[in-house]
Amino acid sequence: SQTIHQWPATLVQPVGSPLSLECTVEGTSNPNLYWYRQAAGRGLQLLFYSVGIGQISSEVPQNLSASRPQDRQFILSSKKLLLSDSGFYLCAFWDREAFFGQGTRLTVV
Amino acid sequence: AQRVTQPEKLLSVFKGAPVELKCNYSYSGSPELFWYVQYSRQRLQLLLRHISRESIKGFTADLNKGETSFHLKKPFAQEEDSAMYYCALSPGGYNKLIFGAGTRLAVHP
Repeated sequence: SQTIHQWPATLVQPVGSPLSLECTVEGTSNPNLYWYRQAAGRGLQLLFYSVGIGQISSEVPQNLSASRPQDRQFILSSKKLLLSDSGFYLCAFWDREAFFGQGTRLTVV
Repeated sequence: AQRVTQPEKLLSVFKGAPVELKCNYSYSGSPELFWYVQYSRQRLQLLLRHISRESIKGFTADLNKGETSFHLKKPFAQEEDSAMYYCALSPGGYNKLIFGAGTRLAVHP
């Protein structure tokens, strides 16, 4: 069966520090992968999506970047975090419907 | 531009009352529409999609292309329906899933 793993569950990072959130998918091949940010009152904002290895589309200009080094691995990164990067980040993949990870609560202090 | 609008941030009803969660979309083509639900401390998950035309947990949603709406309805709300509900649009090809801001449904005993 298909599963999606996202870690860490919570993260507290100082301003200016780097970020790496990892997402891996099992039980499916060549999935479409997504990073969303969930903000209270603003819903789910699509940040990046990928239709294949090395193929990244950015939906909004921001301080973050994404990479897909392997078919079932999707990474969200930043070289220098800003306070405004705080939020709840969700990874997802598509297989006839979208399946979501448990999410990462990022707090930049 | 592709957009999903959920005008209500919170919908509060009593058990047994009818429920309608509103969703309007903006898209020039033929989208696929979904409702996702997030129960407390659980992952975001698919509730239903318009092409299935099925009832899930007593909920139904009809796509009205003339009004560009996809409202979610249930004739008799239950306490276990309390959750965050997101309307979502896929513009085709499943390369993107665009979400609304979400509506929190609170069903009181």
